[in-house]
Amino acid sequence: ELKVEQNPLFLSMQEGKNYTIYCNYSTTSDRLYWYRQDPGKSLESLFVLLSNGAVKQEGRLMASLDTKARLSTLHITAAVHDLSATYFCAVLNYGGSQGNLIFGKGTKLSVKP
Amino acid sequence: DAGVIQSPRHEVTEMGQEVTLRCKPISGHDYLFWYRQTMMRGLELLIYFNNNVPIDDSGMPEDRFSAKMPNASFSTLKIQPSEPRDSAVYFCASSPRGPTFIYGYTFGSGTRLTVV
Repeated sequence: ELKVEQNPLFLSMQEGKNYTIYCNYSTTSDRLYWYRQDPGKSLESLFVLLSNGAVKQEGRLMASLDTKARLSTLHITAAVHDLSATYFCAVLNYGGSQGNLIFGKGTKLSVKP
Repeated sequence: DAGVIQSPRHEVTEMGQEVTLRCKPISGHDYLFWYRQTMMRGLELLIYFNNNVPIDDSGMPEDRFSAKMPNASFSTLKIQPSEPRDSAVYFCASSPRGPTFIYGYTFGSGTRLTVV
């Protein structure tokens, strides 16, 4: 059974600082997705990582995937308040019917001035 | 593109009543998913369809839940009878055809269901 673990679950940062969110998963997959969710809102797609070594960057966020280590990271550079949200990673489950994205529990990020 | 459209946005109902949630996927997307989000269990897949055919409903909690997709542009999730433990946010998502979901999923705005 595919399990996805994110850490930390809560992250309080100061503006201007850097930090990394980690996403570990338990069985083989080469499809990993990062989403952002603002309170009371839907999930917004941030990155789709499709192969080992994939790296994508958008603004102050950079995501990478190491399929051998079963690890993805979401790195935040020089955080700003607008980045405050909950970030989810999700891994495609190739077992079973292949349609299932298994989500981590999310990392609630709070960026303080 | 209007994105994935869900209705209603909020639903408050009494225990025992029937509840129907609706979803219109993005035009041209072959896959449609229903997810449920709660604080305790996070995001869970309930059921998904490919070309209007249910592929995996193993996440449907029990017989009180049913889902249909009568055509490519509409799906419903029905709970009958509803119970307080069904209170959650229900998301619909869709994805286009492509090699193993390389485009990811696009989520709707969700329906916040409260059963009292």
